[in-house]
Amino acid sequence: NAGVTQTPKFQVLKTGQSMTLQCAQDMNHEYMSWYRQDPGMGLRLIHYSVGAGITDQGEVPNGYNVSRSTTEDFPLRLLSAAPSQTSVYFCASSYTAGGYNEQFFGPGTRLTVL
Amino acid sequence: KNEVEQSPQNLTAQEGEFITINCSYSVGISALHWLQQHPGGGIVSLFMLSSGKKKHGRLIATINIQEKHSSLHITASHPRDSAVYICAVNRGGNQFYFGTGTSLTVIP
Repeated sequence: NAGVTQTPKFQVLKTGQSMTLQCAQDMNHEYMSWYRQDPGMGLRLIHYSVGAGITDQGEVPNGYNVSRSTTEDFPLRLLSAAPSQTSVYFCASSYTAGGYNEQFFGPGTRLTVL
Repeated sequence: KNEVEQSPQNLTAQEGEFITINCSYSVGISALHWLQQHPGGGIVSLFMLSSGKKKHGRLIATINIQEKHSSLHITASHPRDSAVYICAVNRGGNQFYFGTGTSLTVIP
């Protein structure tokens, strides 16, 4: 099993550009989520999904869009990049939602917006 | 105010020392997780607790639900334990809340 994979590992964007961060898991997990990690702050939830076709907003959803057309894939779209979106992004998955399941994290994507 | 507070923020220890990292939270929870973030950035899950104590190798995690407090202990610390340790709580729904992490450096 590859676990949770993310691409790209690094990305530099100019303000106003759009892009998609890819996330995939091969563990047949229902729950997938996107977090951003900023210096001095804990991981913050952007969007999450409890199954194919079902997504919801987390703590910091503005400027991001998600969809879940398959169980395996959960891409994160930046609609119009801003310097405030410079961060490290992690995708995570678990068997189901709720707190009783181990979360598996992808390796992260380091995004810089100029 | 963050719902999850960790202490200390930074910790330097000599190899072999016993280490304790603390996590306090201000809300009712269904479960608490301890995570390890390696210097390269990858995050792995160490423990999931809803009560009592768990042990895995040299790592021990405890939780006191009444006091809203959890501790992560590392016995006989080793330089390879150097990492950021993150506490995360789940309130029974679909969202986790994370502490800012404790950066541990173990010196040979």
